[in-house]
Amino acid sequence: RKEVEQDPGPFNVPEGATVAFNCTYSNSASQSFFWYRQDCRKEPKLLMSVYSSGNEDGRFTAQLNRASQYISLLIRDSKLSDSATYLCAVQSSARQLTFGSGTQLTVLP
Amino acid sequence: GAVVSQHPSWVICKSGTSVKIECRSLDFQATTMFWYRQFPKQSLMLMATSNEGSKATYEQGVEKDKFLINHASLTLSTLTVTSAHPEDSSFYICSARAQSGVLLEAFFGQGTRLTVV
Repeated sequence: RKEVEQDPGPFNVPEGATVAFNCTYSNSASQSFFWYRQDCRKEPKLLMSVYSSGNEDGRFTAQLNRASQYISLLIRDSKLSDSATYLCAVQSSARQLTFGSGTQLTVLP
Repeated sequence: GAVVSQHPSWVICKSGTSVKIECRSLDFQATTMFWYRQFPKQSLMLMATSNEGSKATYEQGVEKDKFLINHASLTLSTLTVTSAHPEDSSFYICSARAQSGVLLEAFFGQGTRLTVV
């Protein structure tokens, strides 16, 4: 089983739609969780960290469920500029980041 | 946030030659840097952890004699792809961690797109 599993998509949604991505992880000792955004042929950029209590940043909401070992990212009122690949990342005790395979999102006009 | 600079951003080389990729932390010291490889439509796969002043730690399946890592200073790590072959063509990205508030955040270099012909 992969350490971090993520639905690769692609997700094609109309502008204004709400879209959710999930990511499951296998190591129950994982300590920190992140969502990254990666544009085509670019490096990943941190979108947001994921806290146990859940956190929101504008149209983006991230949640962590330790019991079920998954994290989620919700994007509301999606914009054309949200089109990208979204990668979840999990930090182990060794401080390495393990990435999911990425979910490709295309927001259509 | 912290800045990690990687170059070259792209390189084309002939089969059998070696290519060196540099990764620098510009405004902080990084005792540890990470090297990833990403094939098209796939995720970032950790290749090795580069430790300043000591040997790199390679992930299973990554040949240490083929992918030479040197981390001679607190701000520079290099990855050399030796005797490159077309199957080594990929996107290579380095990363360093820096404290950002209470979190240890990962900052990425711009990536190097290697094409071996």
